[in-house]
Formats: sequence, C-alpha cells, structure tokens
Amino acid sequence: EIVMTQSPATLSVSPGDRATLSCRASQSVSSNLAWYQQKPGQAPRLLIYGASTRATGIPARFSGSGSGTEFTLTISSLQSEDFAVYYCQQYNNWPPMYTFGQGTKLEIK
Amino acid sequence: EVRLVQSGGGLVQPGGSLSLSCAVSGFTVSSNLMTWVRQAPGKGLEWVSVIHGGGTTYYADFVQGRFIISRDNSKNTLYLQMNSLGAEDMAVYYCARAGAGYDYWGQGTLVTVSS
Repeated sequence: EIVMTQSPATLSVSPGDRATLSCRASQSVSSNLAWYQQKPGQAPRLLIYGASTRATGIPARFSGSGSGTEFTLTISSLQSEDFAVYYCQQYNNWPPMYTFGQGTKLEIK
Repeated sequence: EVRLVQSGGGLVQPGGSLSLSCAVSGFTVSSNLMTWVRQAPGKGLEWVSVIHGGGTTYYADFVQGRFIISRDNSKNTLYLQMNSLGAEDMAVYYCARAGAGYDYWGQGTLVTVSS
C-alpha cells in the first residue's frame, strides 16, 4: 500500500497571504496525484489532478506541483472560502486502491 | 449535468447489515471506475471499495469479506452492501467516479452503528 503523508496537520494563514501544503508518497506515484478541498458537511471537491492540472471551475489561485514522491499545493492569495481541509490522493497503483493523505486543515490566522 | 444521488444508510445495530445506493445521471456507471469512500466522524477520507468497468471488484482489507460493491447497469446505480457492521464502520459514506482523481461525488450518507 502506498502511504500518503501530508504536512502540516494544521496551517494558520491570514486572508490574502499564500498557503503552501505538502504531500509525500511512500513510493513514486509519478504525476498521478490529486488534491481535494473539503468543507464541513460537504463532499470533497476535486481541485487538482495530474499533480498540476486544475479541475473544471477551479480558480487560478490554486496550483499544484511535484512528481514522484513530493508534491505541493499552493493557494496564492487566500480568500475566506478557501479555509477548509485539504487532502492529497495518489491514483497510481493497480489494483486501484487509491489512498489519501490524512489531511491539512487550513485555518484563519 | 452529472449527479450522484445517494440513499440508504441510517442506524444499524452492531453485527447488522445495511445497503447503500448511488444513483447516477450524466454518465454510464458500467463504463467507469466507481468507488466508495468513507469518513469517520472528525477523521480523514478512507478508500473502501472500487468496481472496474469490466466488473472486477476490490476492497480495503478492513472490509474484505464483509462488504460487497455492485452495480445495476439498467438503473445506472452503484451499491454497497455492508454486513457484520461494527462501531469502526460508523462513518459518512461517499460514492464517487474514479478517473484522474475522483471527479464526481455523491452527497454522502451517514451510517451509524449503535445498539
């Protein structure tokens, strides 16, 4: 099983500032990495796939980078609606047991 | 418009069974990789099971032998039959389409295991 590790667990950032979230895979997942945003009481929403491609309708302030085992999600200028929990997920292996990281909570500083 | 509408769930006693449904519109279930993910209260996302377009199924170790994923092509609906439920299975369960990431999700349904 590929283990995904996110850091930090909690990130406190002021509105308008930049947030950088990290995700590490226990083995290479190439660029088969997705990021999700989840708000309380809601289903997760796909933000990024292919490590760096924004999903439909996702604002340009969200960007992803990395490949292999190290990945980053950057939110360039935080808006109030961006404070949420973010998960990374690998979808590289077969059988398709696509594991998630434990999440990073992005909170208002 | 793509929609995944979940039903089922609710309260079940330990050792009991429950069935979840995920009715899909906007794409064909049998042509896609469809998955179930769960989230225990206050916890992260946990992959549960997946069914391949060809019908092959896979399960997380913690549900293997207890849960069954299936689909009804005529109804374009995904199912999760859950048996021998324990407190550790209490969670919100989501269905989702698996492509490059999970791009479409159901609204989630809460499963509560309690006597």
